Amino acid sequence: QSVLTQPPSVSAAPGQKVTISCSGSSSNIGNNYVSWYQQLPGTAPKFLIYDINKRPSGIPDRFSGSKSGTSATLGITGLQTGDEADYYCGTWDSSLSSWVFGGGTKLTVL
Amino acid sequence: QLQLQESGPGLVKPSETLSLTCTVSGGSISSSSYYWAWIRQPPRRGLEWIASVYYSGNTYYNPSLKSRVTISVDTSKNQFSLKLSSVTAADTAVYFCARLIGMTGNFDYWGQGTLVTVSS
Repeated sequence: QSVLTQPPSVSAAPGQKVTISCSGSSSNIGNNYVSWYQQLPGTAPKFLIYDINKRPSGIPDRFSGSKSGTSATLGITGLQTGDEADYYCGTWDSSLSSWVFGGGTKLTVL
Repeated sequence: QLQLQESGPGLVKPSETLSLTCTVSGGSISSSSYYWAWIRQPPRRGLEWIASVYYSGNTYYNPSLKSRVTISVDTSKNQFSLKLSSVTAADTAVYFCARLIGMTGNFDYWGQGTLVTVSS
């Protein structure tokens, strides 16, 4: 059972927009920055969003992040079939003294 | 371009010690801006941070694994290593090494991962 809660799966059609939620508590998301990772099938996670809403070099602006209270959200616009992947949120948990991740959300582009 | 590559046995017997090494190329492990980490992913499950190390040797452990884990760094070889003792089938996972930007929680570069199976 992950400390951060994500929906197991989301789906949308090509070209549409999708959001993926990540719910936590005051000991993690509520008081820390959140990062997001994209894991394509059979590959290592890729650094996607950091400090809640910043994008590393090379990440298109179709990907965005936000946070409200103890929840964070990843948004993807203009969906492409190549976006089909598992997406993970991550942050520091001060109660656990540990970096923690969500359980992951599988995105299907129909 | 920074690259990380995990190496080590793919099969470990129960109760034995899992040992993995991560070789960093294209950059120095002695950079003051970064920590180095091990993260694992059991089959069909999510990510779990195991431990992090600074080039000076300072270490940080996941409390749930701390009693069984040792992470170390060898700056002369640009490598860092993981040892996990008394393994069980629950330790079967893909083990990734990664670079951590400061203490930000931003793991910006990852190795390809190596599957370690615990089985007799």
